[in-house]
Amino acid sequence: VQLVQSGGEVKKPGASVKVSCKASGYNFESNGIAWVRQAPGQGLEWMGWISPYNSNINYAPRFQGRLTLTTDTSATTASMELRSLTSDDTAVYFCARQIWPNCFDNWGQGTLVTVSS
Amino acid sequence: DIQLTQSPSFLSASVGDRVTMTCRASQDIRNYLAWYQQRPGKAPKLLISTASTLQSGVPSRFSGSGSGTEFTLTISSLQPEDFATFYCQQLNSYPLTFGGGTKVEI
Repeated sequence: VQLVQSGGEVKKPGASVKVSCKASGYNFESNGIAWVRQAPGQGLEWMGWISPYNSNINYAPRFQGRLTLTTDTSATTASMELRSLTSDDTAVYFCARQIWPNCFDNWGQGTLVTVSS
Repeated sequence: DIQLTQSPSFLSASVGDRVTMTCRASQDIRNYLAWYQQRPGKAPKLLISTASTLQSGVPSRFSGSGSGTEFTLTISSLQPEDFATFYCQQLNSYPLTFGGGTKVEI
């Protein structure tokens, strides 16, 4: 199992960012993909989850309205788009494979998103 | 949202020590709790799910216990590679949440 994320991004406040997560080594539709972020020196924060099988989605309330999760089953790739960025969104963003019962057994390498004017 | 409080925030220990850390939930989460280890600059690694189920490949010196609102992670004999930050995560309900972490230092 491997999850490979896209590279780091630098964005200005108010912009959007899209991070991709390419999955391999397992049946992509069998497990959900979650997104978790970690601000510098801080703890882990769950952002949301998507099922590649049926596109069911669950967003953390604090991201509702500016977060969009998608999957492309033909490319076995999940994507996370976060809009209206502020400096508080500067963080490493991880994708992770979700297994029963809602924990994460394989993680991407992380993508640093820096929001700065 | 379910809040998870980990204690202590920092723990100083030596190789060979037995180490115990706690995770308290703001409401009953039955046994729906996981533990992760994160080394600096790395992604978290799943150690334990459903409070006490050791993941494949995780050394047996790690063990988890508890149910309801109080959980513990124990390392029976601390090894050099165990110096890291440990997080608990509740699996019971959305939004999924993590504790603030316990950093194990030399």
